[in-house]
Amino acid sequence: NAGVTQTPKFQVLKTGQSMTLQCAQDMNHEYMSWYRQDPGMGLRLIHYSVGAGITDQGEVPNGYNVSRSTTEDFPLRLLSAAPSQTSVYFCASSYSNPRNGYTFGSGTRLTVV
Amino acid sequence: KQEVTQIPAALSVPEGENLVLNCSFTDSAIYNLQWFRQDPGKGLTSLLLIQSSQREQTSGRLNASLDKSSGRSTLYIAASQPGDSATYLCSGGGADGLTFGKGTHLIIQP
Repeated sequence: NAGVTQTPKFQVLKTGQSMTLQCAQDMNHEYMSWYRQDPGMGLRLIHYSVGAGITDQGEVPNGYNVSRSTTEDFPLRLLSAAPSQTSVYFCASSYSNPRNGYTFGSGTRLTVV
Repeated sequence: KQEVTQIPAALSVPEGENLVLNCSFTDSAIYNLQWFRQDPGKGLTSLLLIQSSQREQTSGRLNASLDKSSGRSTLYIAASQPGDSATYLCSGGGADGLTFGKGTHLIIQP
């Protein structure tokens, strides 16, 4: 039982490049979400999913795309990276009833130059 | 829109003291209140989860309370130790994810 696995752990991108941050969970959780953490801003919700095939926007969705083709995976795509997207990204998942709380991955530290 | 505020932003106390971290939220229709710990450069570790129907949860030296009517939660740490030094994050949970406070940076002096 690996929990929530995020890859890569570190990434440097050039402005305009695209990439996908991977998130996978092996707990059969229905709910998954992506957050970014910035100094002074705390953690903010980017996108979330309540089940396979269902996604929705969070507080800061611009510049990011998501899809949920399987219960296990919830990748986050940066279409054209910008320096403002330099941040630490966390993926989280929860049981079908989110009253049970969320489990977080270890994060991806992204730098856009 | 849910807003979560944590007070104080930073706290430094000598080892052995009991301390209280405060969290307030604006929307009482939360599913749960979850406290996390984050060490520098690391991920989030869940400490305590209080579901909306509960009033408190305890784990070892940690006790968290929830008062939905006043929109407040507290995290009580008993007999603090240097290993408790970290940033503590409070989050209000809903079906669309979590709303976080900006955290309390705690330093326990040996």
